[in-house]
Amino acid sequence: SQTIHQWPATLVQPVGSPLSLECTVEGTSNPNLYWYRQAAGRGLQLLFYSVGIGQISSEVPQNLSASRPQDRQFILSSKKLLLSDSGFYLCAWSRKQGGTGNTIYFGEGSWLTVV
Amino acid sequence: GDSVTQMEGPVTLSEEAFLTINCTYTATGYPSLFWYVQYPGEGLQLLLKATKADDKGSNKGFEATYRKETTSFHLEKGSVQVSDSAVYFCALRKVGSYQLTFGKGTKLSVIP
Repeated sequence: SQTIHQWPATLVQPVGSPLSLECTVEGTSNPNLYWYRQAAGRGLQLLFYSVGIGQISSEVPQNLSASRPQDRQFILSSKKLLLSDSGFYLCAWSRKQGGTGNTIYFGEGSWLTVV
Repeated sequence: GDSVTQMEGPVTLSEEAFLTINCTYTATGYPSLFWYVQYPGEGLQLLLKATKADDKGSNKGFEATYRKETTSFHLEKGSVQVSDSAVYFCALRKVGSYQLTFGKGTKLSVIP
């Protein structure tokens, strides 16, 4: 069966510090990978998605970036965090076959508080 | 653009009550529709989905029917339990898009 893990689960970082959230998927190959953010009162927002190694698409311009160094690894980064970056970050994956009917499966999430 | 509108919460029900959470959508074509559930402090879990008109998704006693004529995908459960307390998200995914468009979520609290 497939599993998705992301870490750290909770993070408190000062403004201006860097960020690295990691996500790995097990039990599948060549998945589509996603980073979503859930901010208070704003619902869920797609930040980045990737269809393959080194291929990153950004949905929202911001000071965050994403990388996919390996097939099943997806990393969310920032060089300098802003207060507005606080939120709940969710990594997710889906299969390529089957089109948009394919379910997107989410990880456990990472709580980021920028202080 | 595409959008999903859910009834605003919070919704508070007594155990064994009937639940309906309304969800309507705006999108061209025939998107796939989903309900996700988020328990306190956790990520999102798929609850059910429907990929074409008149499909009924069901899981754990929850049901939702894809109604193209009313662009709706209302979530229902005949008898809720305390363990159903969570935030419920309605979402759509269009053909050719990688993105899930979510509603804002509806918080459900079930009291004994």
